[in-house]
Amino acid sequence: EAQVTQNPRYLITVTGKKLTVTCSQNMNHEYMSWYRQDPGLGLRQIYYSMNVEVTDKGDVPEGYKVSRKEKRNFPLILESPSPNQTSLYFCASSLMGGLTGGAFFGQGTRLTVV
Amino acid sequence: DAKTTQPTSMDCAEGRAANLPCNHSTISGNEYVYWYRQIHSQGPQYIIHGLKNNETNEMASLIITEDRKSSTLILPHATLRDTAVYYCIVRRSSGSARQLTFGSGTQLTVLP
Repeated sequence: EAQVTQNPRYLITVTGKKLTVTCSQNMNHEYMSWYRQDPGLGLRQIYYSMNVEVTDKGDVPEGYKVSRKEKRNFPLILESPSPNQTSLYFCASSLMGGLTGGAFFGQGTRLTVV
Repeated sequence: DAKTTQPTSMDCAEGRAANLPCNHSTISGNEYVYWYRQIHSQGPQYIIHGLKNNETNEMASLIITEDRKSSTLILPHATLRDTAVYYCIVRRSSGSARQLTFGSGTQLTVLP
């Protein structure tokens, strides 16, 4: 089954404690991205990757890092989480180029930073 | 990417067709209309997309006006599980378009 898998689904952590949210897709998609969703602000892109070792900032990259060492994985790293990073996070993947159809989204990771 | 305008909310009776409108008057010739939906706090789900011809798949139909300034997503027989926020997005199909820009969407509530 085609899917994007995020882990963990829920996470409560303390300010400053490094954490990683994993994202994996099984569709051989080139393009992957991370979004955060906050009430009243909608979905905003954090980082995206157009292929292995190619990443770039989205609209709200501050406080986040990503890596793309393999095509299927695109982890989101919070080196020193702060309470304003409390949010619902989504990973997405899609094909690049041409008429790509739709993007596939993971089920989300609800992060709380206290 | 062109901006879209959607009603904030709509209701629909179960079993009836749900028609969700979207205005995209500044759409350019190489931009597609995409529809996604998000059921409460789940990941957005792709529904359908089109350029200028009407499109249909197992989930919905997409009607695009001839001038391409507006479109309508049709769920032919809405069920309670179709209650969700529906997003209309206009974007280029090529890989250079780096993101999907989600607006506020339309909250569709299917009533029993």
